[in-house]
Amino acid sequence: GNSVTQMEGPVTLSEEAFLTINCTYTATGYPSLFWYVQYPGEGLQLLLKATKADDKGSNKGFEATYRKETTSFHLEKGSVQVSDSAVYFCALSSYSSASKIIFGSGTRLSIRP
Amino acid sequence: DTEVTQTPKHLVMGMTNKKSLKCEQHMGHRAMYWYKQKAKKPPELMFVYSYEKLSINESVPSRFSPECPNSSLLNLHLHALQPEDSALYLCASSQDWSGAENTEAFFGQGTRLTVV
Repeated sequence: GNSVTQMEGPVTLSEEAFLTINCTYTATGYPSLFWYVQYPGEGLQLLLKATKADDKGSNKGFEATYRKETTSFHLEKGSVQVSDSAVYFCALSSYSSASKIIFGSGTRLSIRP
Repeated sequence: DTEVTQTPKHLVMGMTNKKSLKCEQHMGHRAMYWYKQKAKKPPELMFVYSYEKLSINESVPSRFSPECPNSSLLNLHLHALQPEDSALYLCASSQDWSGAENTEAFFGQGTRLTVV
């Protein structure tokens, strides 16, 4: 079946550090890929998405590129801020999963001032 | 308006109570969802409504009863819950259910439910 694997957290970085959160997926067909962010005490917000191979999603300084050859969708940001502290979920949706959104386990990110 | 609004934000209920969670969206989305999220876990899908009809029930116990009165509203009726049902309940909507490219979901802030 379809699945998403993302790096275990928590991840702790200093402000202005470079961020990578790894995400790989298993899916038949051509899934759409997403990163969602959940700030403390809140619901999920769509951070960025990519719907086909080699697409790059970007938002708020975050980027992720849909790599079909490596089945990956790693999240990156060049310079993190304290306000980026949150839980990040990689997710996919595809016809083969009846269009359900399948989430990874989440990665908790903490940024030190 | 890109908001999904959930009420109440917090709810404490006894095991014999009946309560309802409410969700509203005005984005013209035709698919609406209920998810359950336990602490430090990803959301788990409970129900999907597509064009106001129940499309998916992920083997949820009958003490949870969803209702979709119209295309903008989604309710979750709760009765005889157990303490282990305490969680964050998230509502979401998406443009439709039929195409993978359209299934980015917009989430509400959630209702934090405590069953005592």
